[in-house]
Amino acid sequence: GPKVLQIPSHQIIDMGQMVTLNCDPVSNHLYFYWYKQILGQQMEFLVNFYNGKVMEKSKLFKDQFSVERPDGSYFTLKIQPTALEDSAVYFCASSFGLGGQEQYFGPGTRLTVL
Amino acid sequence: SQLAEENSWALSVHEGESVTVNCSYKTSITALQWYRQKSGKGPAQLILIRSNEREKRNGRLRATLDTSSQSSSLSITATRCEDTAVYFCATPITGNTGKLIFGLGTTLQVQP
Repeated sequence: GPKVLQIPSHQIIDMGQMVTLNCDPVSNHLYFYWYKQILGQQMEFLVNFYNGKVMEKSKLFKDQFSVERPDGSYFTLKIQPTALEDSAVYFCASSFGLGGQEQYFGPGTRLTVL
Repeated sequence: SQLAEENSWALSVHEGESVTVNCSYKTSITALQWYRQKSGKGPAQLILIRSNEREKRNGRLRATLDTSSQSSSLSITATRCEDTAVYFCATPITGNTGKLIFGLGTTLQVQP
């Protein structure tokens, strides 16, 4: 089936540094999402993105977070500067439409902030 | 806000047995999705059941939806070791933004 790829699979950085998480969504999908999952906790919505713009963001999507998809390439999540509480697995997802259509998830990027 | 939560934290069955995972939600929904997440992987949708549907099947999987009691169930028959995973229900919020609200998840262990 359709696959969403995420690069890197693991990232370890020092607090205060910048990190960019990359997502290669399903090729014909139009909507893109980031979710955050802390070990043992619920998957939580961060942001969704369509037509070059953020559609909705949650309270977890702090000012230090930004997303973009320059020229239809990778969909990225940038955190600058990082904080200890940003340590989590970040999942990218994409969908062709809305209205409950299936979101295809990537395997996640495990971010560890030291 | 809408919440989707499973009733059991963890379940364990032996291969070949059937198992049911339950989910309850708190507000009206347009659809409910069941996802499975295997260790080290992202969630994968199993079944999407819309609010006007009462039952949906996908191979060995069967989902039900009871809008009067605001609950859903996912049944797996003839379980296999590879069914071992965390099972989530999730609902898209109203407003059609695509945002999904996930439940806590039920960990299913299928033993040989």
